[in-house]
Amino acid sequence: EPEVTQTPSHQVTQMGQEVILRCVPISNHLYFYWYRQILGQKVEFLVSFYNNEISEKSEIFDDQFSVERPDGSNFTLKIRSTKLEDSAMYFCALPGAENTEAFFGQGTRLTVV
Amino acid sequence: GQQLNQSPQSMFIQEGEDVSMNCTSSSIFNTWLWYKQDPGEGPVLLIALYKAGELTSNGRLTAQFGITRKDSFLNISASIPSDVGIYFCAGQRDTDKLIFGTGTRLQVFP
Repeated sequence: EPEVTQTPSHQVTQMGQEVILRCVPISNHLYFYWYRQILGQKVEFLVSFYNNEISEKSEIFDDQFSVERPDGSNFTLKIRSTKLEDSAMYFCALPGAENTEAFFGQGTRLTVV
Repeated sequence: GQQLNQSPQSMFIQEGEDVSMNCTSSSIFNTWLWYKQDPGEGPVLLIALYKAGELTSNGRLTAQFGITRKDSFLNISASIPSDVGIYFCAGQRDTDKLIFGTGTRLQVFP
């Protein structure tokens, strides 16, 4: 089971500010996912990223969002100009050996005020 | 869009009781997964199901992949206080992304 660490654990930001959420896998992975969960709701897919390219994205993942692998190990999710409705838990996830499972990080709680 | 409906929404049971929850969809899925989420944590994978009709156990947990590929259930036997949490089903269809269910909140009373 792959392990992943997310930072920060909690971020409070003002509306309109940019935020960068980070995900660090314990071992090298080419493939990862970002999901989000608005408080009290279900987990929703945002984007999958393979070998430095977006392979799939949801309609939530609009132009305000971007993903990168800036230094070959970290994976980042950037929200350019945050809105109140971006407040949620954001999870990074890695596939398992079968590529049909996803193992989730602890999440970053983003609060936009 | 693809929807996964879980029932019941919440359950309040006594320690030692068995629990059953299910997940249904109008679409066919190729893989069904069951996750547990504790407050403030990420979902933790409990069981993965890959074939229609498959029945898989993990300790006190048993899950089945429905024969129609449109549903799955999860049973927990002899519940204990640490079973408290939210249980999510998730399905995979054509791609690797997971579609999550609406969740079942489980409370266990001693």
